[in-house]
Amino acid sequence: NAGVTQTPKFQVLKTGQSMTLQCAQDMNHEYMSWYRQDPGMGLRLIHYSVGAGITDQGEVPNGYNVSRSTTEDFPLRLLSAAPSQTSVYFCASSLMGGYSGNTIYFGEGSWLTVV
Amino acid sequence: GENVEQHPSTLSVQEGDSAVIKCTYSDSASNYFPWYKQELGKRPQLIIDIRSNVGEKKDQRIAVTLNKTAKHFSLHITETQPEDSAVYFCAARGNTPLVFGKGTRLSVIA
Repeated sequence: NAGVTQTPKFQVLKTGQSMTLQCAQDMNHEYMSWYRQDPGMGLRLIHYSVGAGITDQGEVPNGYNVSRSTTEDFPLRLLSAAPSQTSVYFCASSLMGGYSGNTIYFGEGSWLTVV
Repeated sequence: GENVEQHPSTLSVQEGDSAVIKCTYSDSASNYFPWYKQELGKRPQLIIDIRSNVGEKKDQRIAVTLNKTAKHFSLHITETQPEDSAVYFCAARGNTPLVFGKGTRLSVIA
C-alpha cells in the first residue's frame, strides 16, 4: 500500500514548456485534488475531482488542466509554464468525495521551478 | 466560498510552555476542521481533527476546541518539545473542498 504517489519530485522547466505532474493513489479514494504551496500563502486548491470522469476548478486553476479517466490517477498538466508557476505541488486524496470528515492524505510533493 | 484566517503567522515558545494557534472560518456550513503539521521539506500530515458536533478533542499533548457560534477553532499544544517545531495549518470543509489557513511557523526553543 503506497498511499499517494507523485512524480517527478523535482523538475526544472523553461518558460513556455509544458509538462504533466503525475499522481496515483492505491486506496480506492473517490476524491483527489491538487494544491500548490507558496511561501506565506498556505495550500491553495488548483483542481479537484470527486470521481472518475468528474473534475472541477479550485481557487487557482488558471494555467492548469486535469483529467480523471480512472479512480487511481489524477494528472496535472501545465500547458505553457510561467515563472509564476514555480511552486511546490501536492496531490491529495480521501474517501467519499472530500466533503465529509474523511482524512485527506497528501503525496510527498513535487518541487517545480520555471526559469 | 470558505475563507480561513489563521493567527499568528509565527510563534516562538520556550520548551515546556504551551502554544496556541487560532483560526476563524466564514462558511457556517463547514463541519470538519483538521489540523496539519508540516516539517521542512515534507508533506502535511494530519495531527488532529474535530467535527462540528464536538466542542473539544484531546490527543495526549494536543487539543482542539471549536466554537461554532463564533466560527473559530484553536489548536493547543502543551509541554512543547523541540520536535514540535514545524508549520501548522488549520483547515475547514463543509460543502466545498478543504480550505487551508496560511499557516503558523512554531519554533520551540530549548
